[in-house]
Amino acid sequence: DAGVTQTPRHEVAEKGQTIILKCEPVSGHNDLFWYRQTKIQGLELLSYFRSKSLMEDGGAFKDRFKAEMLNSSFSTLKIQPTEPKDSAVYLCASSLGDGQLYFGEGSKLTVL
Amino acid sequence: GDKVKQSPSALSLQEGTNSALRCNFSIAATTVQWFLQNPRGSLINLFYLVPGTKENGRLKSAFDSKESYSTLHIRDAQLEDSGTYFCAAEDYNQGKLIFGQGTKLSIKP
Repeated sequence: DAGVTQTPRHEVAEKGQTIILKCEPVSGHNDLFWYRQTKIQGLELLSYFRSKSLMEDGGAFKDRFKAEMLNSSFSTLKIQPTEPKDSAVYLCASSLGDGQLYFGEGSKLTVL
Repeated sequence: GDKVKQSPSALSLQEGTNSALRCNFSIAATTVQWFLQNPRGSLINLFYLVPGTKENGRLKSAFDSKESYSTLHIRDAQLEDSGTYFCAAEDYNQGKLIFGQGTKLSIKP
């Protein structure tokens, strides 16, 4: 079985650029999560979808961060415009709906 | 303060020894998950617990919701056990999963 797939694994962007990160959840999973991981803040929830409906939009991340689920097997996270403080690892996770999370390998973003 | 506090923050062990990692909660935790973040960056789900215990090979985990803590025991540590271990608890009041800051475990030959 394929796990959660994230692309790209690494992304380098100039300040002000738009970047799009992609995620394919485990087949059959209804819940999809986007997290940001930094050494200082740890893991922070950005967005949460249940059956393609946005359940949580991450509060403080609303203004420049937009997550979408185009269909049940594909999600994107757009950051527009990027800032150096957005440099982090962005992790996607999916779940059957019981709360048990399965993570992808993450996309490491560096904003110069 | 930290709602999910992990200890120790870092630990170095000799191969073949045993260890215990701990998570204390200041929330009403309903479920607990333990993850290992490997060098590639993926968080591998080790355990998903309601109050009680689970065992998988050399790993054993317990969750006591009344005393608000969870433990992860590693028996006969191997080099491939190295990485950062995270616990995450579901907060009954907020319905959210809250992660601890992690325990970095280094296993030495």
